[in-house]
Parts: sequence; structure tokens; C-alpha cells
Amino acid sequence: GEDVEQSLFLSVREGDSSVINCTYTDSSSTYLYWYKQEPGAGLQLLTYIFSNMDMKQDQRLTVLLNKKDKHLSLRIADTQTGDSAIYFCAESGGGSQGNLIFGKGTKLSVKP
Amino acid sequence: NAGVTQTPKFQVLKTGQSMTLQCAQDMNHNSMYWYRQDPGMGLRLIYYSASEGTTDKGEVPNGYNVSRLNKREFSLRLESAAPSQTSVYFCASSLSHYEQYFGPGTRLTVT
Repeated sequence: GEDVEQSLFLSVREGDSSVINCTYTDSSSTYLYWYKQEPGAGLQLLTYIFSNMDMKQDQRLTVLLNKKDKHLSLRIADTQTGDSAIYFCAESGGGSQGNLIFGKGTKLSVKP
Repeated sequence: NAGVTQTPKFQVLKTGQSMTLQCAQDMNHNSMYWYRQDPGMGLRLIYYSASEGTTDKGEVPNGYNVSRLNKREFSLRLESAAPSQTSVYFCASSLSHYEQYFGPGTRLTVT
């Protein structure tokens, strides 16, 4: 079945770049997403990439997609303590309902 | 424009009790979703509604029922709560096929 895998933890120093990686299985996914969840809050859509794109940049965020390897990454430049959160990768699960398949989330800790 | 709202924020139930989690969106979205989030499990889809009047099962529907009362509201009901249903429940909505907007969540504990 469809599956999305992410590493569970990442720790970086403030000012460094963070790279969060994700692999997925459904090659028919039209969109791939990155969501951010701060403690005690719901998920917030950060960015998404269409499956025919290789890269998307949005201010400090860069998304890279390797469709051949089914690998997605999120790079956060100049990471700040406010970036500490859980980051979820998600793929569109196909079908007409717009279902999303989520990874288990990567907890990013930013040390001052 | 409040986005997606959920009530209550917190709830404690005893095993066997029933309750309804409420969700409403003011973005005129067609699709609405209920997820549960458990530690180490990510988010799992319970039920979804592609449009007013339609509902379908997701990955983990057992023990739950839903109602899409109108375009704005999508409720989740636990008829007989079990400790295994202790979780954080998120409602989401979307206009386009895949960009989903989430509510703040309901933290439910079943003792």
C-alpha cells in the first residue's frame, strides 16, 4: 500500500541549514506536501510541489523532488529557534477524495 | 474568517460514554476530513466527506460515525468510547483536491 517514511528527529544549531528527508511509494502522486506542527497546534501547510517539478523555492524554504527515487526533501536556510516543530511530509493518495497520506513526522530541534 | 474551528479543545470520557466532536469551516470548502494523531503513528484518516451529503470511510473508521450536516459542518461521533480512542483529533477541509487546512485539534482522553 501507500507509505511515506521520514526520520523521526533532527537537531541543528541556530543559523545552520536544516534538511528534512522523506520517501514515498505512490508514483502516481500528483502533489507532495510539507506541513508544520507547532506544540499543541494543528498542522499548517508550509509548501507543496507538483510532481512534474524538480525544485520549488519559497523564501527560506527549498523543496527538492527526485521522482525517480521517490525522494522529497525540505531545506530550511538560516534555521531559527521558531522553526522548532514537527514537520510532516504528505503525498496525495490518489482517488477523487483528495486523501493525503502522511509520514510520521520529523521533530526538528533548533539549539541556540 | 476563522478557518477551521473545532470544539471542544479537551475532553475526558469514561469507557462506554458517547460524545460528538464538532468541526466547522467558513472557507466554502467542499471536502472535509477527520484524522486522529497518535504518538509515533502520524495522522490517520478516519472519515472524509467529498461534498455535502456524502461520507466515506478512511483508514481507521471502526468505532466512529460522522455526519456532514451542511457544507460548513462535519461532526465525528464516538458511540461507546474505548481507551484505544484516546488521541488528538483533527478536522481538515479543502477546496482544491489536495490542499488541506487543519483545525487546532481536540485532545480526547478515555479512561
